[in-house]
Amino acid sequence: GQQLNQSPQSMFIQEGEDVSMNCTSSSIFNTWLWYKQDPGEGPVLLIALYKAGELTSNGRLTAQFGITRKDSFLNISASIPSDVGIYFCAGHARANSKLTFGKGITLSVRP
Amino acid sequence: DADVTQTPRNRITKTGKRIMLECSQTKGHDRMYWYRQDPGLGLRLIYYSFDVKDINKGEISDGYSVSRQAQAKFSLSLESAIPNQTALYFCATGEHTDTQYFGPGTRLTVL
Repeated sequence: GQQLNQSPQSMFIQEGEDVSMNCTSSSIFNTWLWYKQDPGEGPVLLIALYKAGELTSNGRLTAQFGITRKDSFLNISASIPSDVGIYFCAGHARANSKLTFGKGITLSVRP
Repeated sequence: DADVTQTPRNRITKTGKRIMLECSQTKGHDRMYWYRQDPGLGLRLIYYSFDVKDINKGEISDGYSVSRQAQAKFSLSLESAIPNQTALYFCATGEHTDTQYFGPGTRLTVL
């Protein structure tokens, strides 16, 4: 079946640093989504990408839909302590009735 | 007010008990989903519904049932809870399959 790969499982950065996360697949997706989950809460949609090559920003967050449709990245600039959490990617292939989720990357930000 | 609400937020129950988790949304979306989240396994789809008369099994539906009482309400039931159903449960909604919005989750513990 379709799988989304996110690695590493955890990332540790210093406050103020930029960080980039990748999500890759062996299958093509028509939509890429990035979610953030805080402890004890539900995933919150950060950015949705609907077109290959699309680059979209949401504040300090920027995400891109890869040209091959098999990957996406999320960049966080000038990190702050509240960026701590789990970042999930998700993809949707047009033929499917479901989303495919990555297992997430846990981000820690040292003050 | 939150667009997607889940009740209860936390529940502890005993093996063999019947449990119902409820989800309500004010987003006016036709599509609703139930997921469970376990450490290391990510989000897995239990059931989904594309409208009031439509119910579909997800990848892990055994031991669960659902009811779509109205466009805005989608309930998940565990007829006879067992310890390996201890998990975080999330409801999600969407106008289309490719973009989903999650509720805050229910933490269920089965003793």
